[in-house]
Amino acid sequence: AQTVTQSQPEMSVQEAETVTLSCTYDTSENNYYLFWYKQPPSRQMILVIRQEAYKQQNATENRFSVNFQKAAKSFSLKISDSQLGDTAMYFCAFITQGGSEKLVFGKGTKLTVNP
Amino acid sequence: DTAVSQTPKYLVTQMGNDKSIKCEQNLGHDTMYWYKQDSKKFLKIMFSYNNKELIINETVPNRFSPKSPDKAHLNLHINSLELGDSAVYFCASSPYGRRTEAFFGQGTRLTVV
Repeated sequence: AQTVTQSQPEMSVQEAETVTLSCTYDTSENNYYLFWYKQPPSRQMILVIRQEAYKQQNATENRFSVNFQKAAKSFSLKISDSQLGDTAMYFCAFITQGGSEKLVFGKGTKLTVNP
Repeated sequence: DTAVSQTPKYLVTQMGNDKSIKCEQNLGHDTMYWYKQDSKKFLKIMFSYNNKELIINETVPNRFSPKSPDKAHLNLHINSLELGDSAVYFCASSPYGRRTEAFFGQGTRLTVV
């Protein structure tokens, strides 16, 4: 079965500091995409960053970057210079190639940025 | 322009009632989904449609019936609502075959009393 595990149910960080959210996954596929989604209190699901499994280079989007370790099946999200607006639930997810397409989500990490 | 829109955003109803949630996307995507987010925030796929054809049905009770009149719309009808159906329901869409991210609607918070 394809699964995603986020081992940190809750985290907090001071404004302007850096925080890393962990994610591991399990799949027998070789080609897939990994994502981090953000869900603020507004409930909207917002894509933060995407990584293709065949690319060795880690994806970055402004203050957000990932550490993708394919062999270890690990996909952590680093948020630099944390801002109050980063307070949200963060979900790790992946979608596989071949067969039925569906996003498989982790259970989420609730991140609170403190002033 | 809203890419994926769901109506209504909030729905409060009594047990036993039948209700529908509508979803429309203007992104030209071929694939649409319904996801359920439970009280613990866990997101799980319910259904997936590609070009009006059902692709995924993830062990969802028969009381839930999706309907796709065209590839831009995917509605969810729920019969005989139960307390356990209370959740946030998300519609999403993605371009088929590109294994890219899904674009989500704003969610519908369903409360069954």
